[in-house]
Amino acid sequence: ETGVTQSPTHLIKTRGQQVTLRCSSQSGHNTVSWYQQALGQGPQFIFQYYREEENGRGNFPPRFSGLQFPNYSSELNVNALELDDSALYLCASSFPDRGPATQYFGPGTRLTVL
Amino acid sequence: AQSVTQLDSQVPVFEEAPVELRCNYSSSVSVYLFWYVQYPNQGLQLLLKYLSGSTLVESINGFEAEFNKSQTSFHLRKPSVHISDTAEYFCAVTTNSGNTPLVFGKGTRLSVIA
Repeated sequence: ETGVTQSPTHLIKTRGQQVTLRCSSQSGHNTVSWYQQALGQGPQFIFQYYREEENGRGNFPPRFSGLQFPNYSSELNVNALELDDSALYLCASSFPDRGPATQYFGPGTRLTVL
Repeated sequence: AQSVTQLDSQVPVFEEAPVELRCNYSSSVSVYLFWYVQYPNQGLQLLLKYLSGSTLVESINGFEAEFNKSQTSFHLRKPSVHISDTAEYFCAVTTNSGNTPLVFGKGTRLSVIA
């Protein structure tokens, strides 16, 4: 158990809809990173939030957006869903302020777009 | 930019036999290296990591990995596997320049056969 939680566990949406996924960080961690894991692939970095500011972004379009709240929990929003957005979405929390930051992952949200 | 190559997509092995899962990375700067394990329908769990110091790192459940800078490798080994080790294993790299994201390989599916 890492202490990182995600909700919901599973979600089914249709093409064109919008979705919000939520992540609660491990206690004391101020950084959240989001990853997309397509079936049979390794996770791909979407973006990272550090102290409520976006701190890096991978090769994902602007319809993928996020927020980090003062308690360091986070949301991932995806607009105009496409079939290829079907994947496991993972969030990971870390605390980089004191050196090398190991990322601890939550259980993921499985998104299916029909 | 960093990249990770996991040379074997699937590795079947008999119970109590040794196993090696191969990982090679590419980076122009110093790196930190990680192995994560993913059991079916779950998120990623940290197995072990190399940050600095001894190039041989161990996990609590008998896995070990050795950082080889000259060969840019971080192979994972276990002398005797159990049925419960059946899972997907991901090698990941990040730079040591701060709070940078993880770059993952495509994963190796370890199947332990009774």
